[in-house]
Amino acid sequence: DSGVTQTPKHLITATGQRVTLRCSPRSGDLSVYWYQQSLDQGLQFLIQYYNGEERAKGNILERFSAQQFPDLHSELNLSSLELGDSALYFCASSVASGTSTDTQYFGPGTRLTVL
Amino acid sequence: AQTVTQSQPEMSVQEAETVTLSCTYDTSESDYYLFWYKQPPSRQMILVIRQEAYKQQNATENRFSVNFQKAAKSFSLKISDSQLGDAAMYFCAYTLPGYALNFGKGTSLLVTP
Repeated sequence: DSGVTQTPKHLITATGQRVTLRCSPRSGDLSVYWYQQSLDQGLQFLIQYYNGEERAKGNILERFSAQQFPDLHSELNLSSLELGDSALYFCASSVASGTSTDTQYFGPGTRLTVL
Repeated sequence: AQTVTQSQPEMSVQEAETVTLSCTYDTSESDYYLFWYKQPPSRQMILVIRQEAYKQQNATENRFSVNFQKAAKSFSLKISDSQLGDAAMYFCAYTLPGYALNFGKGTSLLVTP
């Protein structure tokens, strides 16, 4: 158990819908990262938050957005869903202090299926 | 942009034998970290081993060790005394301190009895 929790584990929805994925980081970790794992694109970084502020953006679509709340949990919002958005979405957390102890630990992932 | 290349899509090893998974990366930075993550059929991403670029000594975690060649930008993973539970997808990853991971495409490891 990495200490990172993600809900829900599975999500099945229809095209055009909107969903919210939730992540709680490990105790003491200030940074949350969202990654998407699909068969054709591999593991791709979407977005990073550090202590409530957006820190870095990767290959995140405009239909996707995220935020990190004062208690440090994070939500990833996916809207106007398309079939191609079906993937495994991971959240990871780290201290993000820039030191040698800065390692990312992953949650179990949310499997999104868009029908 | 930093890239990570895993040139072996699939590898196979017999139980109790040793296998080496290859990884190369491209960067102009001097301070960075390298990781190997394991993804078993459960799809959980599990940290296997970490290497700081400033450390010359290769990292070791029980049966897992790395061969880090900074000048060659090579970071291979050696698994000794392979076990059935080692069967998984293995991802090599690069990161700058405090930032996101760049992953390779992965190597699928099959362990045969």
